[in-house]
Amino acid sequence: QKEVEQNSGPLSVPEGAIASLNCTYSDRGSQSFFWYRQYSGKSPELIMSIYSNGDKEDGRFTAQLNKASQYVSLLIRDSQPSDSATYLCAVNTTHNTNAGKSTFGDGTTLTVKP
Amino acid sequence: SAVISQKPSRDICQRGTSLTIQCQVDSQVTMMFWYRQQPGQSLTLIATANQGSEATYESGFVIDKFPISRPNLTFSTLTVSNMSPEDSSIYLCSVRQNTDTQYFGPGTRLTVL
Repeated sequence: QKEVEQNSGPLSVPEGAIASLNCTYSDRGSQSFFWYRQYSGKSPELIMSIYSNGDKEDGRFTAQLNKASQYVSLLIRDSQPSDSATYLCAVNTTHNTNAGKSTFGDGTTLTVKP
Repeated sequence: SAVISQKPSRDICQRGTSLTIQCQVDSQVTMMFWYRQQPGQSLTLIATANQGSEATYESGFVIDKFPISRPNLTFSTLTVSNMSPEDSSIYLCSVRQNTDTQYFGPGTRLTVL
């Protein structure tokens, strides 16, 4: 079992719809969770971080965390063609800024069709 | 967040040669990492660059092939040694600065002929 698993996709949604991206992780001791967006030919950029169970909203993006189920998701409301990218889920096992490393999923490719 | 630059941005190299990639950050960072990303694939961590000591390599990566330096808190280099076409990839520097969030440099696109 991979440490961080994402739906491989590709995921296609029409413009204006809600895109739902899912991620599960195997280490129950994981502390920090991140979503990155990566456009083709570019490096990953951080969209959201979440540390506590529940929802965290930032504009059109909502991250959801359920530690009991070892599940984290990203919802994109009112999807735009500019949201078309690969979304990477990352998990840290520690809050310690001087130790540990992020484990990344393989990514889900999202296409938003006009 | 820190501003990260990498040099070169891309290169085409011959089999058997070596290339050194530089990563410069505009402020001190706690941790620096080197990743590889092959076309259509996800990120693979090569190593953690440790300031003033040997890097910590992930399984499948060795110092002889990927020597890494980190002389201070803002700079690191990754060398890809004795290159083969299988080393063609994007190499990414990533840093952590006073939080557990990682940020990425723009990447170096390497093609080995």
